[in-house]
Amino acid sequence: QQQVKQSPQSLIVQKGGISIINCAYENTAFDYFPWYQQFPGKGPALLIAIRPDVSEKKEGRFTISFNKSAKQFSLHIMDSQPGDSATYFCAATLYSSASKIIFGSGTRLSIRP
Amino acid sequence: GAVVSQHPSRVICKSGTSVKIECRSLDFQATTMFWYRQFPKQSLMLMATSNEGSKATYEQGVEKDKFLINHASLTLSTLTVTSAHPEDSSFYICSAHPTEGLSYNEQFFGPGTRLTVL
Repeated sequence: QQQVKQSPQSLIVQKGGISIINCAYENTAFDYFPWYQQFPGKGPALLIAIRPDVSEKKEGRFTISFNKSAKQFSLHIMDSQPGDSATYFCAATLYSSASKIIFGSGTRLSIRP
Repeated sequence: GAVVSQHPSRVICKSGTSVKIECRSLDFQATTMFWYRQFPKQSLMLMATSNEGSKATYEQGVEKDKFLINHASLTLSTLTVTSAHPEDSSFYICSAHPTEGLSYNEQFFGPGTRLTVL
């Protein structure tokens, strides 16, 4: 019930294309869903996050779509750039307390120039 | 703002020795810090939750006597890997939750420490 399932494991997208990463969770107690970007040898950094009371959140080229009934959410990266090449982790946690974050398995994204 | 540092960034040690990793919140106080371990090409796995002034809470399967955590101040948590063995080689990452200023669960991550045990 604590798992967050993420797919695909790896993704190659042409420059300018749309990168899409999907996640699913089981525990309906989760109410905060952040996405993290991690470059090799570095710690993860928060990219964008969403709460289940909205179906979509957009920040620049990054958009989260959220389907509460299906317990699924996804990250869309528009106009993907080589600098976006990194590993992306979806995650789930509780919004209002300093709770542990449950990470998905990660997606290694490569943007081809 | 909201910077978390880790020291050292890399450490190589011999099997059987102990290694201490520091996690500091540089510009905020953190009552709660978290320690994660990440193996190559894998996800972050939570090892323990560290609360200032109290004992850490360890995740199932994590040996508390092997991974000693001390959160002695609101800006510093340490992880000591005791009697390290090659299978402890990993990337250790901490995160910190600000005590004040945030009403929600945002955690700031450190840059990680690469531990290699020979």
